[in-house]
Amino acid sequence: AQSVAQPEDQVNVAEGNPLTVKCTYSVSGNPYLFWYVQYPNRGLQFLLKYITGDNLVKGSYGFEAEFNKSQTSFHLKKPSALVSDSALYFCAVSDSYNFNKFYFGSGTKLNVKP
Amino acid sequence: GEEVAQTPKHLVRGEGQKAKLYCAPIKGHSYVFWYQQVLKNEFKFLISFQNENVFDETGMPKERFSAKCLPNSPCSLEIQATKLEDSAVYFCASSQEGPPYGYTFGSGTRLTVV
Repeated sequence: AQSVAQPEDQVNVAEGNPLTVKCTYSVSGNPYLFWYVQYPNRGLQFLLKYITGDNLVKGSYGFEAEFNKSQTSFHLKKPSALVSDSALYFCAVSDSYNFNKFYFGSGTKLNVKP
Repeated sequence: GEEVAQTPKHLVRGEGQKAKLYCAPIKGHSYVFWYQQVLKNEFKFLISFQNENVFDETGMPKERFSAKCLPNSPCSLEIQATKLEDSAVYFCASSQEGPPYGYTFGSGTRLTVV
């Protein structure tokens, strides 16, 4: 069965430092992996996706994520965090057998302190 | 705008009553999707549209659920004769490209059937 795990409920980083938000997954077919960000009282905003191709995916607002098939991971990264990056981040997965169905992780709250 | 707008945010209906939910996709996005959040992290696919045409309706319980996306109008999801188990958060998403590409989600409509 498909599942997504975000092991950290919260990540705290100082502004200017690199950040990592972790995600691991389990799917039946080839994975399609996504990161979404949710600001308070707003919908889920698409950041980036991995469908196929290069393992390092670059997305919006300077974020990137690396697909690691052997570790079944898709960690979100940013070289230099901004206070405005503080939000709730969700990893999501679908797969090649049923790409309409999304499974979301439980979310990780990112706090970037000045 | 850059947001998927869903209305209303909250909807309460008595069992057996009709419920109608609305979604305005991002301008320029030709794909619209409806999801039902059945568990905290699982979004159950209901139906998708490409412009005003149904793209995929394999997730729709057709007996009571219907959806439309008409030109120059918000898309709508209607539930006739609501049941207690229809209580959920319903998310709309839009995309410029078809699946399995990244979607932008709205903030959802919480339907409570009492």
